[in-house]
Amino acid sequence: NAGVTQTPKFQVLKTGQSMTLQCAQDMNHNSMYWYRQDPGMGLRLIYYSASEGTTDKGEVPNGYNVSRLNKREFSLRLESAAPSQTSVYFCASSEEARVKTQYFGPGTRLLVL
Amino acid sequence: DQQVKQNSPSLSVQEGRISILNCDYTNSMFDYFLWYKKYPAEGPTFLISISSIKDKNEDGRFTVFLNKSAKHLSLHIVPSQPGDSAVYFCAAASNAGGTSYGKLTFGQGTILTVHP
Repeated sequence: NAGVTQTPKFQVLKTGQSMTLQCAQDMNHNSMYWYRQDPGMGLRLIYYSASEGTTDKGEVPNGYNVSRLNKREFSLRLESAAPSQTSVYFCASSEEARVKTQYFGPGTRLLVL
Repeated sequence: DQQVKQNSPSLSVQEGRISILNCDYTNSMFDYFLWYKKYPAEGPTFLISISSIKDKNEDGRFTVFLNKSAKHLSLHIVPSQPGDSAVYFCAAASNAGGTSYGKLTFGQGTILTVHP
């Protein structure tokens, strides 16, 4: 039981490049989330998926897109990376959106030059 | 607009003593609160939570207190251990419907260092 896994662990991009961050959970959770964490700031919600087939914007969605591929997987895409997107990205999941306890992956460190 | 604030960036405590981490919120719609602990290069892990119908919740060495009138919560760790050294985030959520449903709003975090 791996919980929430994220790939890659670390990535360096040049401005304008695109990439997809992958997230998978094996806890049979319905809801999944993407956050970013910047120095001196808490985690900020980018997008979330309350259930398979639905996605909604969070606090900071600009510059990102998401895909809920199936119940297990939720990917985050940067179409044209910018230095402001340098951050640590965390994926999380919960049983249901109404169940507030979320379980987090280990994070992806992204550096955009 | 920071709806959840942890005003102390860091806290240093001696092993065996009490650690008290504080968190303030401004949104009166928040009715569920959580504390997460984060070690370097790892994701946050859930520690303890409290619903607004309670004013205290205990789990072993960890106790969370909620003061709704002051919009303030605190996490007490007694006794503190060196392994408790980590970043602690408080988070808030609303059980109301609408666009806030299911979302957590996090504070900036407090770095706790417990010295042997």
